[in-house]
Amino acid sequence: QQPVQSPQAVILREGEDAVINCSSSKALYSVHWYRQKHGEAPVFLMILLKGGEQKGHEKISASFNEKKQQSSLYLTASQLSYSGTYFCGTGDRDDKIIFGKGTRLHILP
Amino acid sequence: SQTIHQWPATLVQPVGSPLSLECTVEGTSNPNLYWYRQAAGRGLQLLFYSVGIGQISSEVPQNLSASRPQDRQFILSSKKLLLSDSGFYLCAWAKYRNYGYTFGSGTRLTVV
Repeated sequence: QQPVQSPQAVILREGEDAVINCSSSKALYSVHWYRQKHGEAPVFLMILLKGGEQKGHEKISASFNEKKQQSSLYLTASQLSYSGTYFCGTGDRDDKIIFGKGTRLHILP
Repeated sequence: SQTIHQWPATLVQPVGSPLSLECTVEGTSNPNLYWYRQAAGRGLQLLFYSVGIGQISSEVPQNLSASRPQDRQFILSSKKLLLSDSGFYLCAWAKYRNYGYTFGSGTRLTVV
């Protein structure tokens, strides 16, 4: 079952904040977040393994609510380099990652 | 350090022709290996994954197959390509369970 990401697309000005949500109808064992630039391969940002866990990566952080089967990615004071498509991937008990359709983020100067 | 190699980078093949895409990982042993496909402007679809030599799990029934003849080599094949096989094929590896994936640079396949 593919996780659902929202919003589908976001346009921000440099310095603004963004939140990308990811939800699943299945029990989650892990949540991955990746960023893909146009024409390139996705790049791993972070993985969350426990309910309520939060992680940070520079000005990018994420939370994982295991009970609600949801995760959110937070981008603070966005930079031009943050532009791209963000994918969440949900892991099952076999550690297979099923990715959402992605959220396109465009940062304007 | 670990690296993942995927080739070719681009490929244009006629309908009905065979396909072989190769992926190798260096600097690690017994990695988990994955093949994903991304259609234009779409998400990442898991095709196959492998946790060891000769162990292949298929996620989507189709005319594609995968093999893992060596520990760090993963091959995606087809006997007869369809137009719908066009897309961006990505190989990925992970060292352990619950580890982030590292993707190869991808192969852009166009079936004509």
